Amino acid sequence: AQSVTQLGSHVSVSEGALVLLRCNYSSSVPPYLFWYVQYPNQGLQLLLKYTTGATLVKGINGFEAEFKKSETSFHLTKPSAHMSDAAEYFCAVSVPFSGSARQLTFGSGTQLTVLP
Amino acid sequence: NAGVTQTPKFQVLKTGQSMTLQCAQDMNHEYMSWYRQDPGMGLRLIHYSVGAGITDQGEVPNGYNVSRSTTEDFPLRLLSAAPSQTSVYFCASRPTGQVTYNEQFFGPGTRLTVL
Repeated sequence: AQSVTQLGSHVSVSEGALVLLRCNYSSSVPPYLFWYVQYPNQGLQLLLKYTTGATLVKGINGFEAEFKKSETSFHLTKPSAHMSDAAEYFCAVSVPFSGSARQLTFGSGTQLTVLP
Repeated sequence: NAGVTQTPKFQVLKTGQSMTLQCAQDMNHEYMSWYRQDPGMGLRLIHYSVGAGITDQGEVPNGYNVSRSTTEDFPLRLLSAAPSQTSVYFCASRPTGQVTYNEQFFGPGTRLTVL
């Protein structure tokens, strides 16, 4: 069965510092990987995705993630945090479910706090 | 396009009451799904549908019913609400087909409290 583990339910960084949010997955088939962001009292918004091809993917708002098959990881980074980045971030993996359409399995989420 | 819309935004129920959470999308997406979000557990799939007239169970279907009579609408029914169903519910949709890689579009959520 597939699963997603996000290390650290809460991460705090100073404004201007590097953001690193960790995601490890397990999947018996080639996965498609996603990062979603959820701002307070809002729905989920896609940040970026990995499907095939280049393993370093760039998303919106300056975020990027690298797919490392050997480490089964898909960590999210941003070189310089901004106050507006404060939100909850979810890593998700898409794999076949019950032999039918691919479904998303989500990690438990990481709450990012940006300190002034 | 309005995207994925959900009503109501907030709801308080008493144990044993029934209600329907509404979800609609105007993107002509065949695939729609319902998730619940609980602290520390991420989002878990309740039910999904790959087209009108076709629904299937997800990871946590107990206590919930769905139907899909049109492409646009995918309501979620709680027949007899329980406190364990207190959660935030999200509806999502996407086109079918491999090209989409399962990128889903989410609604704003319904925050449900069962007393």
